[in-house]
Amino acid sequence: DQQVKQNSPSLSVQEGRISILNCDYTNSMFDYFLWYKKYPAEGPTFLISISSIKDKNEDGRFTVFLNKSAKHLSLHIVPSQPGDSAVYFCAASIFSSNTGKLIFGQGTTLQVKP
Amino acid sequence: EPEVTQTPSHQVTQMGQEVILRCVPISNHLYFYWYRQILGQKVEFLVSFYNNEISEKSEIFDDQFSVERPDGSNFTLKIRSTKLEDSAMYFCASRGDTTDTQYFGPGTRLTVL
Repeated sequence: DQQVKQNSPSLSVQEGRISILNCDYTNSMFDYFLWYKKYPAEGPTFLISISSIKDKNEDGRFTVFLNKSAKHLSLHIVPSQPGDSAVYFCAASIFSSNTGKLIFGQGTTLQVKP
Repeated sequence: EPEVTQTPSHQVTQMGQEVILRCVPISNHLYFYWYRQILGQKVEFLVSFYNNEISEKSEIFDDQFSVERPDGSNFTLKIRSTKLEDSAMYFCASRGDTTDTQYFGPGTRLTVL
């Protein structure tokens, strides 16, 4: 059941440049999307979210863009820092459901080189 | 800053044994979740819990699994008879009632031998 997909398993960028992580989904009922960052042997750490009524949300160096017609979202990190190196997961939920369970993508490993 | 905590950080058990994984969600949160991540795979939803009952469970969450909120702070996941394939990281998460943002604990690594 691949409702949320992150097609790039890894991404490598130079410090100071932009990192763009992509995520696609298939279920049009999803109306809330989140990005989490995860280090090995730790739990996912919430980064940023976006509701389907918006197409952009910004928080410091992190911006999430949502294209509902393409069922696509992306996370931009500008400027990228070595400490951003981690696995990034996108997740989706149906806010109006009575559970709000998250469906995760497979993750993208970001490496930021000094 | 409030956070979700989980104990133990690592649990090793023999196949067929019972294990209980413990979580303390963020104090004013009302929705509680368990997820797991098998090594190299994606994070998978197991169960959600609200108002002292299960609100949804996945196909993975069979009769061997149960959840409980025994008091006002703890949230537990019990596996009655562990199998080798239960070896995974288990994450607890919680959220408040006005947002879909879930906050995760650090996880418990379960190793079944």
